[in-house]
Amino acid sequence: EDQVTQSPEALRLQEGESSSLNCSYTVSGLRGLFWYRQDPGKGPEFLFTLYSAGEEKEKERLKATLTKKESFLHITAPKPEDSATYLCAVQPNTGNQFYFGTGTSLTVIP
Amino acid sequence: NAGVTQTPKFQVLKTGQSMTLQCAQDMNHEYMSWYRQDPGMGLRLIHYSVGAGITDQGEVPNGYNVSRSTTEDFPLRLLSAAPSQTSVYFCASRSSYNSPLHFGNGTRLTVT
Repeated sequence: EDQVTQSPEALRLQEGESSSLNCSYTVSGLRGLFWYRQDPGKGPEFLFTLYSAGEEKEKERLKATLTKKESFLHITAPKPEDSATYLCAVQPNTGNQFYFGTGTSLTVIP
Repeated sequence: NAGVTQTPKFQVLKTGQSMTLQCAQDMNHEYMSWYRQDPGMGLRLIHYSVGAGITDQGEVPNGYNVSRSTTEDFPLRLLSAAPSQTSVYFCASRSSYNSPLHFGNGTRLTVT
């Protein structure tokens, strides 16, 4: 069964304190793994797509990496504006469905 | 370029009432979909469409209907609302099979 598990559920960081969010997945065949950011009252906003193990993508203070079983979203020297819920989703090789994790709620304290 | 637009933003229904959630996109995307988001659960697929005139069921389709008469619009109909349908509903589209989903800002529905 295809599924996605994210950890931790919630994370509080001091401004400048780097950390990582985890996304573990089980899928019959991976077409793509996606990271999204969701602010309260808004829809998810696309951040990255990763397609194969060993791939890395970067954007400002965020870096996403992918292995055969999990992905990490590394946050370097976070700022309060990075506070949001971060969602991970996988797209299997077959079908039109995306499977989403429950997200990690990140709070960055000034 | 508005992206994906959902209306209304908020809605309160009584059990048994029907309503339609609207979704429109201006990106000429063939693929459109509806998700619901509930506390402690990931986004779950309700219905999707790969083009005008083509729709299919997702993971949680019961109690919902869809149709796709144009590329731009993909309305979601609740036939007889139930309290279990209280949720936040998101419409999403994408340009191709390898592309990410682009989401609207959601409709928060409460059924009493």
